[in-house]
Amino acid sequence: EDQVTQSPEALRLQEGESSSLNCSYTVSGLRGLFWYRQDPGKGPEFLFTLYSAGEEKEKERLKATLTKKESFLHITAPKPEDSATYLCAVQLGSSNTGKLIFGQGTTLQVKP
Amino acid sequence: DTGVSQNPRHKITKRGQNVTFRCDPISEHNRLYWYRQTLGQGPEFLTYFQNEAQLEKSRLLSDRFSAERPKGSFSTLEIQRTEQGDSAMYLCASSHYEQGDYGYTFGSGTRLTVV
Repeated sequence: EDQVTQSPEALRLQEGESSSLNCSYTVSGLRGLFWYRQDPGKGPEFLFTLYSAGEEKEKERLKATLTKKESFLHITAPKPEDSATYLCAVQLGSSNTGKLIFGQGTTLQVKP
Repeated sequence: DTGVSQNPRHKITKRGQNVTFRCDPISEHNRLYWYRQTLGQGPEFLTYFQNEAQLEKSRLLSDRFSAERPKGSFSTLEIQRTEQGDSAMYLCASSHYEQGDYGYTFGSGTRLTVV
């Protein structure tokens, strides 16, 4: 069964304390891996797409990396405004509809 | 362009009642998706439209659920005979062809509470 698992479920950091969020996946074939950010009461907001192992993408304090079995979202020197739930999702290689399978998310709290 | 709009934002209904949600996607997006999200979980796929054609439905979409996208514009999701287990956030998303480097654009969702 195709599955996406994120860890940890929750993460508390002090402002400036760098860390990484993990997304491991077991799928029959990967078309793309997506990272989204979700603020309370809002829909997810697109961050990155990764397509193949070894690929990296950066945006401000965030960097996403991909291996054959997992992806990491590295947060460098986070600020309180980075507090949110970060969702990882995969699009299967067999899917041309754009359907995504999401993980359960990691809720990040950054304290000043 | 105001993004993906969902209405209502909140809906409280009694068990057994029917409810309908509306989604207005970004105008040039021909792909539209419905997802359901419960507390502490990631979104789960419900259904997908390309233009007006409903091309994929999840097994989560029981007979009580129906979705339409007339004329390939806005979409509605109806739940008949609501149950407490239907309480969730219902998210709509749209994209232009395959999402590629741009992902979906999600709406803010409709939060359904069945009492």
